[in-house]
Amino acid sequence: ETGVTQTPRHLVMGMTNKKSLKCEQHLGHNAMYWYKQSAKKPLELMFVYSLEERVENNSVPSRFSPECPNSSHLFLHLHTLQPEDSALYLCASNNLAGLFRESGELFFGEGSRLTVL
Amino acid sequence: AQTVTQSQPEMSVQEAETVTLSCTYDTSESNYYLFWYKQPPSRQMILVIRQEAYKQQNATENRFSVNFQKAAKSFSLKISDSQLGDTAMYFCAFEVFNDMRFGAGTRLTVKP
Repeated sequence: ETGVTQTPRHLVMGMTNKKSLKCEQHLGHNAMYWYKQSAKKPLELMFVYSLEERVENNSVPSRFSPECPNSSHLFLHLHTLQPEDSALYLCASNNLAGLFRESGELFFGEGSRLTVL
Repeated sequence: AQTVTQSQPEMSVQEAETVTLSCTYDTSESNYYLFWYKQPPSRQMILVIRQEAYKQQNATENRFSVNFQKAAKSFSLKISDSQLGDTAMYFCAFEVFNDMRFGAGTRLTVKP
């Protein structure tokens, strides 16, 4: 396995279901991200974890709950979602830029396509 | 706040021809990074090309090159000799202090 792996690739759930998205990175990176990709809209950053601690939460509704048990794994727990939450959820990882502002290119997974009925 | 604008939701180009994708951004920072990412259908997003704002020389990667106009806050991507495999969504992104912002994307179709 190489790169960033996301499971499941497709998920259909009802508004009352509880499900989880999983992301695993094999690149030795120190930061992991969840992005939401909706049609014709910029990618929305949802959560950032650096060294397993959440460093950013961009006003995401509480029905989305992230978990980062270690530096290689990231989960997004889903509960009582709304139809407007249907989107492609992308996981990404990188090494955060250091003191000399080297850029931190993001490495993405293939995404989990979520449909909420 | 940093914003990234891609004004072309969709574009098409004939195979072997050249196409330019536009991107503008807004920032008050002087040192930052710009990226173009490619997302093929049902495949993961990958980096195409990167530009450091402090470098005046435009970045080039094989058939991909950028036209970086710092004063105008413009960062366009030129694809030369377009190939069928270039069909994808292309996202422009801007990064400063580990904060990366993306545009809405341009869907490029290369026609045979």
